[in-house]
Amino acid sequence: AQKVTQAQTEISVVEKEDVTLDCVYETRDTTYYLFWYKQPPSGELVFLIRRNSFDEQNEISGRYSWNFQKSTSSFNFTITASQVVDSAVYFCALSEGPFSSGSARQLTFGSGTQLTVLP
Amino acid sequence: EAGVTQFPSHSVIEKGQTVTLRCDPISGHDNLYWYRRVMGKEIKFLLHFVKESKQDESGMPNNRFLAERTGGTYSTLKVQPAELEDSGVYFCASSQGQGGLVFTEAFFGQGTRLTVV
Repeated sequence: AQKVTQAQTEISVVEKEDVTLDCVYETRDTTYYLFWYKQPPSGELVFLIRRNSFDEQNEISGRYSWNFQKSTSSFNFTITASQVVDSAVYFCALSEGPFSSGSARQLTFGSGTQLTVLP
Repeated sequence: EAGVTQFPSHSVIEKGQTVTLRCDPISGHDNLYWYRRVMGKEIKFLLHFVKESKQDESGMPNNRFLAERTGGTYSTLKVQPAELEDSGVYFCASSQGQGGLVFTEAFFGQGTRLTVV
């Protein structure tokens, strides 16, 4: 069975601080995908990143960076120089590899981390 | 290009009533998913359509929930009769269908907030 744990329920930081959101996952599959989604106050889930289990290379996109470590089953997300607009709920998610038909499997989400960036 | 659209955005109903949620996926997306987030907990999978067929409905909580996707386009999720524990945010997502083992990410709608009183 798959499981995603986001131990941090709420985090508050002051603008311009760096913040890391933790994500630990469990799966018995050798092929899987990890995701981060952002849910701003407007409600929709916004896709941020997808990594597959064979690619442990860390990724940086502007102020966002992701650290994928299979040895510790973690996929942590760091926001550098946080801004008020980063305030949102952030979800980490896991999916097994696609069905043999090619259709994608469902996502298993963590419980989310509410990030508040104070001015 | 329009994203995933869900209607209504909010619904407040009394226990025992029926509610129907609608999801319009991104045009051309074969995969359609329903998820639910209850009381600030994790977002949980309900079911997955590939075109008009149910690929996986293992997450449906009970037979009070009925999902349909006629013609492989939009989908509806009906709750009948609604109970208090059905309150939550219902998300719909869609993704393209691909041949072979190619994974495509899902795009989510804004969700429908259902409150059963």
